[in-house]
Amino acid sequence: DQQVKQNSPSLSVQEGRISILNCDYTNSMFDYFLWYKKYPAEGPTFLISISSIKDKNEDGRFTVFLNKSAKHLSLHIVPSQPGDSAVYFCAAPLGQTGANNLFFGTGTRLTVIP
Amino acid sequence: NAGVTQTPKFRVLKTGQSMTLLCAQDMNHEYMYWYRQDPGMGLRLIHYSVGEGTTAKGEVPDGYNVSRLKKQNFLLGLESAAPSQTSVYFCASRDAARIEAFFGQGTRLTVV
Repeated sequence: DQQVKQNSPSLSVQEGRISILNCDYTNSMFDYFLWYKKYPAEGPTFLISISSIKDKNEDGRFTVFLNKSAKHLSLHIVPSQPGDSAVYFCAAPLGQTGANNLFFGTGTRLTVIP
Repeated sequence: NAGVTQTPKFRVLKTGQSMTLLCAQDMNHEYMYWYRQDPGMGLRLIHYSVGEGTTAKGEVPDGYNVSRLKKQNFLLGLESAAPSQTSVYFCASRDAARIEAFFGQGTRLTVV
C-alpha cells in the first residue's frame, strides 16, 4: 500500500509561471517530508524539507506547504524556469531502528516550457 | 567532492548470472541504502545498513544480498539474476543527524 502518493504523473507550465506539485500521504506517523528532484540518468537530489510541526518552509524559489489535517503537501516553484524540468519525488522518512527509510511517491514529471 | 559513487553505471546480465553492485561514499555517513526504481513506481528500499558490519531488509529484499564490511562501502549482490530484477538501482547514504539522504547516479541493470 502506497504511503506516499503523487497522483499527477506530469505537469506542464510556462516559464515564469508558478508550478504546483502535490503529494498526499496516509501515515500520520511521518515527522518530516522531503522533496527530491531527479534529472534523467542522474540520482535524486534533495531539494527541500518540512517538519510536521510547521505548515510552510521556503528556500528561494521553492516553498513547501503542509496541511496535516488533509494529509497533503505541495511544492511551489515560483517563477518556474526551464532548468526546473525534471521528475519531482515526494518522500517521507519512517523507521524504528533510526535508519529512517524514505518512502517515495511515484513522482511528477515537470516540464517548463520556454 | 565525489559524494556517493556507484559502479557500474550499466550492466546487462543473462538470467541466472550473478553480479555485485558497488556503492562508495566519502561523507563518513553511518546509514546506507539500496533502492530500486521501476516505471510507474517510486523508489523502493531493498536493504539498508545502520553501520559497518550491519545490514537489514527493506521493502523488497528477495533475490538480493548485501554486505557492509567497511563504513564507506555498501555492496548489493544478485546471486541468480531474474528478468524481474531489471531495474535502475540507486544507492544512498545519510548522516545520522540529518534527514536528507544523498543518492548515487544509479545503475541501470537489464536481465535478459
